[in-house]
Amino acid sequence: DQQVKQNSPSLSVQEGRISILNCDYTNSMFDYFLWYKKYPAEGPTFLISISSIKDKNEDGRFTVFLNKSAKHLSLHIVPSQPGDSAVYFCAATSGTYKYIFGTGTRLKVLA
Amino acid sequence: NAGVTQNPKFQVLKTGQSMTLQCAQDMNHNSMYWYRQDPGMGLRLIYYSASEGTTDKGEVPNGYNVSRLNKREFSLRLESAAPSQTSVYFCASCPGAGALPSNFGEGSWLTVV
Repeated sequence: DQQVKQNSPSLSVQEGRISILNCDYTNSMFDYFLWYKKYPAEGPTFLISISSIKDKNEDGRFTVFLNKSAKHLSLHIVPSQPGDSAVYFCAATSGTYKYIFGTGTRLKVLA
Repeated sequence: NAGVTQNPKFQVLKTGQSMTLQCAQDMNHNSMYWYRQDPGMGLRLIYYSASEGTTDKGEVPNGYNVSRLNKREFSLRLESAAPSQTSVYFCASCPGAGALPSNFGEGSWLTVV
């Protein structure tokens, strides 16, 4: 049973526009959420996190929104740049070292 | 500053062979992780180590053993490789115990034939 789901395998966005990547989860005990970016042949890179006590966290062009009632989080990238083209993973934990990862969304930013 | 280094990067094994994946970090981090990533799936935790000498099982520990003999190194051993263990393996580290895996290695591509 997939506890963390990224239902869109891929997304294409024009440079300068907003990219919105979505993530849904089923476990109501999850209280900390992460987003990672991964380029081919490299390890994931941590991007941004959010605790369940917040509904928004911002870091430069990246903003993560959390909707606990819907068990949904999203990553907004504004403005999108060609260098943002990568696979994005969301991950969640219920306060332990066991982070559960989604299957990833491949973002392509078109110049 | 190398960060997290994994070796080997590529390996082909025959079914039943054994091998060890090496991971070392030079950031003085306490926690280290081993993940595997299969096509169409997210990273799945194999084993975790909060500190030297301690290890805990993750989601998919069967068929693997780990060793954390010192703070820098965390090795993953396949005693008798199976085709189902064909995967990309990532080692990660983070400063605190149970904190988010902040630094990843580049991955080790393992094929078991």
